[in-house]
Amino acid sequence: EPEVTQTPSHQVTQMGQEVILRCVPISNHLYFYWYRQILGQKVEFLVSFYNNEISEKSEIFDDQFSVERPDGSNFTLKIRSTKLEDSAMYFCASRQDRLDEKLFFGSGTQLSVL
Amino acid sequence: AQSVTQLGSHVSVSEGALVLLRCNYSSSVPPYLFWYVQYPNQGLQLLLKYTTGATLVKGINGFEAEFKKSETSFHLTKPSAHMSDAAEYFCAVSDRSRDDKIIFGKGTRLHILP
Repeated sequence: EPEVTQTPSHQVTQMGQEVILRCVPISNHLYFYWYRQILGQKVEFLVSFYNNEISEKSEIFDDQFSVERPDGSNFTLKIRSTKLEDSAMYFCASRQDRLDEKLFFGSGTQLSVL
Repeated sequence: AQSVTQLGSHVSVSEGALVLLRCNYSSSVPPYLFWYVQYPNQGLQLLLKYTTGATLVKGINGFEAEFKKSETSFHLTKPSAHMSDAAEYFCAVSDRSRDDKIIFGKGTRLHILP
C-alpha cells in the first residue's frame, strides 16, 4: 500500500527556534493535512491544503505556523518561533479525492521543545 | 459541529476474549464514521468506515463496528482478541465540510492480557 512519509521521526529544538517538519504525501493525492497530538490528548486538526493554498485552518494554526508545498512532492509545516506547548506528535495526511474518505497518515514527527 | 466521545482511555481484555471499544458521536448531518488504529511507533491506519448503507461494517484484522443512529453510537468489536491487537484506537467523524476533515476522539489504549 502507498505510504505518506514524514521526516524526521524525532526533532528536538530550543524554545524560540524555527522548525520545519517535512512530509511526502502519496503522489496522486490532492488534499493534504496536518494534525497534531499532544501527549495524552486527542489528535487535533491543524490545517488542510488544496490547490496550493490553505483551504481551512483551526484556531491552533496561528501566525507562527505556515505550510508550503514547494516542489509538488513535499508538504512542509513550519513553526516560526517554537513554544513549549508546541511539543507534540505531528501527523501529515493526504487524500486522493474529496469523495474518497480514506485519509492516509504518516507515522508522525515527535517534536520536543526545550 | 461534529464530535466523538470514546469511553475509557484504557481497556484491558484477555487474549481470546471479546473486544468492545465504545464510541458515541454527535453530528448535525448524517455522519461518516471511522475507526483508526495506531500501533507503537507507527502512523494512523484506517480499520473501517461507515458512510451509508449497511450499518454493520467489517474492517481489517477481524474488527467490525455497528452504526446505531438511535443510540448515536459506533462501537468497535472483535470476537476474539489477539496479542497483536494491542494498540491505540481512535474513533473519528468526518465533518462533511468542504475538506471533509476528520475529527478524532481522545483514543482508547487496548491492552491484551496473556
